Amino acid sequence: QVQLVQSGAEVKKPGASVNISCKASAYTFTNYGISWVRQAPGQGLEWMAWISAYNGHRNYAQKFQGRVTMTTDTSTSTAYMELRSLRSDDTAVYYCARDSGGYRPDYWGQGTLVTVSS
Amino acid sequence: NFMLTQPLSMSESPGKTVTISCTRSSGSIASNYVQWYQQRPGSGPTTVIYEDNQRPSGVPDRFSGSIDSSSNSASLTISGLKTEDEADYYCQSYDDSGWVFGGGTKLTVL
Repeated sequence: QVQLVQSGAEVKKPGASVNISCKASAYTFTNYGISWVRQAPGQGLEWMAWISAYNGHRNYAQKFQGRVTMTTDTSTSTAYMELRSLRSDDTAVYYCARDSGGYRPDYWGQGTLVTVSS
Repeated sequence: NFMLTQPLSMSESPGKTVTISCTRSSGSIASNYVQWYQQRPGSGPTTVIYEDNQRPSGVPDRFSGSIDSSSNSASLTISGLKTEDEADYYCQSYDDSGWVFGGGTKLTVL
């Protein structure tokens, strides 16, 4: 069964960075991309970025360009998302999702709560 | 990029039918597949419709999807409503810039 297991909750101060991991299992990691989607408290889903696990090609939402970096480690089938210069409005649950063919998520991680507070 | 607009909330009684709309702001709704996700409180999203009108295995046939080019919108219809259908529903599509989500519709079944 395909699984995406994310790292645990984080509490960060404004201006800090956070790095979230997403470990994939039960499929060939390099055959799919990984996207990151976030959801602020009481708000909707917001797509942030995508990375090809095959060749590392990335696509970032304009809103996050310059603040977010996605990487993968194919030896451990793990994707990482780093978000820098955190602000209070970055408080959200961050989900990784397997990209099915470039246009939709078909499997989701369990979500990682990032709280940004002084 | 385009936007997807959904009604903020809807409510209906058990056993009835509800249709949630998702209107694309620019470009044709038919040019890119539309997906629908259900999200219950405290849980992550799950797919109820993909590729406009396809149901993943395990999703009851009470859930159906369609697109309407004349209104440039997609719709999720849930028939025979059950209290367990009470959730947030999100439409999603994409373009070369990435995925686009609608703002979500809170469905109340009472």
